[in-house]
Amino acid sequence: AIQLTQSPSSLSASVGDRVTITCRASRGIGNSLAWYQQKSGQAPQLLIYDASTLNGGAPSRFSGSRSGTDFTLTITSLQAEDFATYFCQQFNNYPFTFGQGTRLDIK
Amino acid sequence: QVQLQQWGAGLLKPSETLSLTCGVSGGSFSAYHWNWIRQSPGMGLEWIGEISPGGNTNYNSSLKSRVTISLDASKKQFSLKVNSLTAADTAVYYCASQLLGAFDYWGQGIMVTVS
Repeated sequence: AIQLTQSPSSLSASVGDRVTITCRASRGIGNSLAWYQQKSGQAPQLLIYDASTLNGGAPSRFSGSRSGTDFTLTITSLQAEDFATYFCQQFNNYPFTFGQGTRLDIK
Repeated sequence: QVQLQQWGAGLLKPSETLSLTCGVSGGSFSAYHWNWIRQSPGMGLEWIGEISPGGNTNYNSSLKSRVTISLDASKKQFSLKVNSLTAADTAVYYCASQLLGAFDYWGQGIMVTVS
């Protein structure tokens, strides 16, 4: 199975900050990567698919990029509602797999 | 917009069978692949398997021998069964739709405890 390694595992930031989360795939997956946001007690919500396509309804301060097998989620100008846990997920190969998550909390 | 509503038993004993159903409203039932995913503190998010509109299934090999996913298109529902449960199967179980490769809509989740 393809392993996805996220870094950092946790992050503290302030409202207005720019934040970057990285997801590294154990082998090539093309652009078949998604990012999700999960708030406590809720199901994950899709933010970005195909590595860089913003899902409808997701705020434009979220963006995604890819360099080889490294993927990045960037949040510009953090808002209070962005403090949550973020997961990457690959859908290039079965079994579909997820990163272990990055918890973003308020500094 | 697709909405998913899950139901099923939340407290089971070891060796019993988990049975969950996900009802779909909105959207086109035949356009999506339908998935089950679970989340536990120890294992994080784990994809269990999927079923296509035509009934073809793919399962995670970690559970393959114990899992069955089925669908009833007439009722716009799909279901998950996991047999021979152990404490390691304790998790929140989600159903999710898949249209663009990613999981675009999720159910509310059901906490399943095996004890």
